[in-house]
Amino acid sequence: DAGVIQSPRHEVTEMGQEVTLRCKPISGHDYLFWYRQTMMRGLELLIYFNNNVPIDDSGMPEDRFSAKMPNASFSTLKIQPSEPRDSAVYFCASRKSTYEQYFGPGTRLTVT
Amino acid sequence: AQSVAQPEDQVNVAEGNPLTVKCTYSVSGNPYLFWYVQYPNRGLQFLLKYITGDNLVKGSYGFEAEFNKSQTSFHLKKPSALVSDSALYFCAVRDTDSSASKIIFGSGTRLSIRP
Repeated sequence: DAGVIQSPRHEVTEMGQEVTLRCKPISGHDYLFWYRQTMMRGLELLIYFNNNVPIDDSGMPEDRFSAKMPNASFSTLKIQPSEPRDSAVYFCASRKSTYEQYFGPGTRLTVT
Repeated sequence: AQSVAQPEDQVNVAEGNPLTVKCTYSVSGNPYLFWYVQYPNRGLQFLLKYITGDNLVKGSYGFEAEFNKSQTSFHLKKPSALVSDSALYFCAVRDTDSSASKIIFGSGTRLSIRP
């Protein structure tokens, strides 16, 4: 099993640009989660999906952030326009009916 | 509201000594508890969980955790620490307020093992 796959691993962009982060969950997992990790705020849940349907997006910071899951094997997190305060490590995680989540390696985003 | 607390930002232990990383929780209903470890520049890795059954739960890399209902604690332990155990450790609890699909993570404890 390849585990959760995220791309890119590193992204450096300028303020105002659109950023798209990608995630492929573990096959057969029906929940997908997007998290953001910073030194100041720790680990924050942004949004999660069940069977490709967004269930709770209360953690999404503002309208600049959006997430989609068009099918069971792919999800995107988009930031448009990006701002320096969006700089963080973004993690994707997936799980089945048991509650433990499996995390991807993360995307380190730097917005200058 | 559900919550989990890790009272120590950092724990320092000499190699070969036992280690304990503390976690306390507050939930309504039966707690589902987890420990995760994060190595530098990596995602979180699942270590172990408590759902029901024996209060002492064994997990990966020789770690174990003890569920104590009366003290609402779920401390992570290892009898003999290794330098390679140095990492960031997160305690987590299922959020029973929501649809129970979310888990709430603690703020993390940095474990440092000196040779």
